[in-house]
Amino acid sequence: QLQLQESGPGLVKPSETLSLTCTVSGGFITGSDYYWVWVRQAPGQGLEWIGSINYSGHTYYNDFIKGRGTLSIDTSKSQFSLKVTSVTAADTGVYYCASLIRMAGRGNFFDYWGQGTLVTASS
Amino acid sequence: EIVLTQSPGTLSLSPGERATLSCRASQTIGSSSLGWYQQKPGQAPRLLIYTTSTRATGVPDRFSGSGSGTDFTLTISGLEPEDFAVYYCQYFGSFGPGTKVDI
Repeated sequence: QLQLQESGPGLVKPSETLSLTCTVSGGFITGSDYYWVWVRQAPGQGLEWIGSINYSGHTYYNDFIKGRGTLSIDTSKSQFSLKVTSVTAADTGVYYCASLIRMAGRGNFFDYWGQGTLVTASS
Repeated sequence: EIVLTQSPGTLSLSPGERATLSCRASQTIGSSSLGWYQQKPGQAPRLLIYTTSTRATGVPDRFSGSGSGTDFTLTISGLEPEDFAVYYCQYFGSFGPGTKVDI
């Protein structure tokens, strides 16, 4: 079964760049039915999809992150990454990486999740 | 953009009772395109239901999903102590705000 693990700094200064990496094990990051995603959760709030990337580097982003967020993938290391520039306090929260299974004509679903990593934007 | 709303915000029940959680979409969506997730404090979300009514691997059969059009339901037929959590519905990149099921 797939396992995902986030890594990266837990503290980022306002106006700087948040960088996180997710390492995938127990399966192939090159699977054609899968996208790899980031989801965040502000303290006490709900879930917010940030963006998705597939093995060939095709990306989708939520409107709120466009222009600040970039996803990348390194299939040789079974890793994908998130960068968010110009962070503010509003970017504080738990960041989850997850796998997204695409079921043709029947929706997309987040089936495996990392444990999450808390990122705090503060000076 | 599809907006999902969930009701009630909090559902207070006792173990053994039936829980009925609602998810409403702002416009008609594919009848088999909804997912449900369970999240316990300090844990990552867990996929419970996909394609509206299919239980994910290892999910007990007391959990069931149904619905079509704009109205969808997650039913827990007899609450176990471990079921007290927050439940989110999801359609593609949109999540509902969640329903907390507490004792």
